[in-house]
Amino acid sequence: QVQLQESGPGLVKPSQTLSLTCTVSGGSISSGDYYWSWIRQSPGKGLEWIGFIYYSGSTYYNPSLKSRLTISVDTSKNQFSLKLSSVTAADTAIYYCARYPYGSGSYSGAFDIWGQGTMVTVSS
Amino acid sequence: QSVVTQPPSASGTPGQRVTISCSGSSSNIGNNYVFWYQQLPGTAPKLLIYRNNQRPSGVPDRFSGSKSGTSASLAISGLRSEDEADYYCAAWDNSLSGQVFGGGTKLTVV
Repeated sequence: QVQLQESGPGLVKPSQTLSLTCTVSGGSISSGDYYWSWIRQSPGKGLEWIGFIYYSGSTYYNPSLKSRLTISVDTSKNQFSLKLSSVTAADTAIYYCARYPYGSGSYSGAFDIWGQGTMVTVSS
Repeated sequence: QSVVTQPPSASGTPGQRVTISCSGSSSNIGNNYVFWYQQLPGTAPKLLIYRNNQRPSGVPDRFSGSKSGTSASLAISGLRSEDEADYYCAAWDNSLSGQVFGGGTKLTVV
């Protein structure tokens, strides 16, 4: 079955760029049926949708993060990535990647498969 | 401040029925499907309800969802201790062109 795994530095300095990668296994990221998503959760807080990308490179971003955000896809590696620039302590969170079915399928519009999440702390 | 509102907490005793509300607007819940996620302590969220009231395979029929206008509800009947978790509603928001989550409801089984 499809699995997602986040990877990247657990500590980032303020004003620097946070970079994470999500590796998809058990299925192709190039399937036309899914967008691939990033979601975060600040300590003790709720979930915040960051954005998602289609295998073709088409993206949707959270307007509140758009000016600092880049999501990209590497179909050859079956991976997609997140870059968030000019980070502050407010960006400290668990970052999840998730699959987002698209179109007329049953789970369309849901985040149906999630990675385990990776904690990123912004601190000097 | 989320555009979709949930009560921060809910509680019930084993065997009881509890409901968790989710309030939005015509931009999100009113014109789009609602989804519910369960987050057990220390784990990633899990899809619990899709398309307002559908359960993925493996989700017990104790869990049910409903939607009316710009509000939705998650009901859990026959409450069990393992249901103690955070519950989030979510929907597409046409104004934001993105997904919005409710602030989450922490369910305690006392």
